[in-house]
Amino acid sequence: KNQVEQSPQSLIILEGKNCTLQCNYTVSPFSNLRWYKQDTGRGPVSLTIMTFSENTKSNGRYTATLDADTKQSSLHITASQLSDSASYICVVSASDSWGKLQFGAGTQVVVTP
Amino acid sequence: DSGVTQTPKHLITATGQRVTLRCSPRSGDLSVYWYQQSLDQGLQFLIQYYNGEERAKGNILERFSAQQFPDLHSELNLSSLELGDSALYFCASSPGKRGGQETQYFGPGTRLLVL
Repeated sequence: KNQVEQSPQSLIILEGKNCTLQCNYTVSPFSNLRWYKQDTGRGPVSLTIMTFSENTKSNGRYTATLDADTKQSSLHITASQLSDSASYICVVSASDSWGKLQFGAGTQVVVTP
Repeated sequence: DSGVTQTPKHLITATGQRVTLRCSPRSGDLSVYWYQQSLDQGLQFLIQYYNGEERAKGNILERFSAQQFPDLHSELNLSSLELGDSALYFCASSPGKRGGQETQYFGPGTRLLVL
């Protein structure tokens, strides 16, 4: 069973609208949680990385939240743009695994004009 | 551009063959990671090297092997290829000083097609 679950699998939003992606994890002991953006056929690009003590972190129009108690994270995209169309992947690192990451399956976001 | 380079970009080969994928990390990065991404599996961690030594192992098949050379570039060797090995193979690098706390920078990937 995957230790990182993302929802929804995919979503379509209108340009300019906001959306929120969810990530639930069971990875333990927890070290940090990352959100990556991956354009089709290209390598993932890091958006945010949060440790246990961080509740929220922003990167431009992307804001990630983390609730380490409930083991949930969300990624909020504000005022979406066509270039936001991509797969967004939640990745969790365990503190006993040096560099080894657990990947979610991703949420495919399509922004339409 | 992440600064991580991978060659070749595309590779088409036949079942049973052997291929080598190459990765050059960002300047100064000591850690290199290999990932496989197939359509139905998402990203899977294969293996990590730090300064020439194997550091962590994920879901890497015995038919696959990797190494990191003194100049820090890395190669992933895939042998006895099967149709199911068709996938995107990504290399990532990080400085290596903070272990699992570091941002990993991904290369553009090598697309392998096994016919």
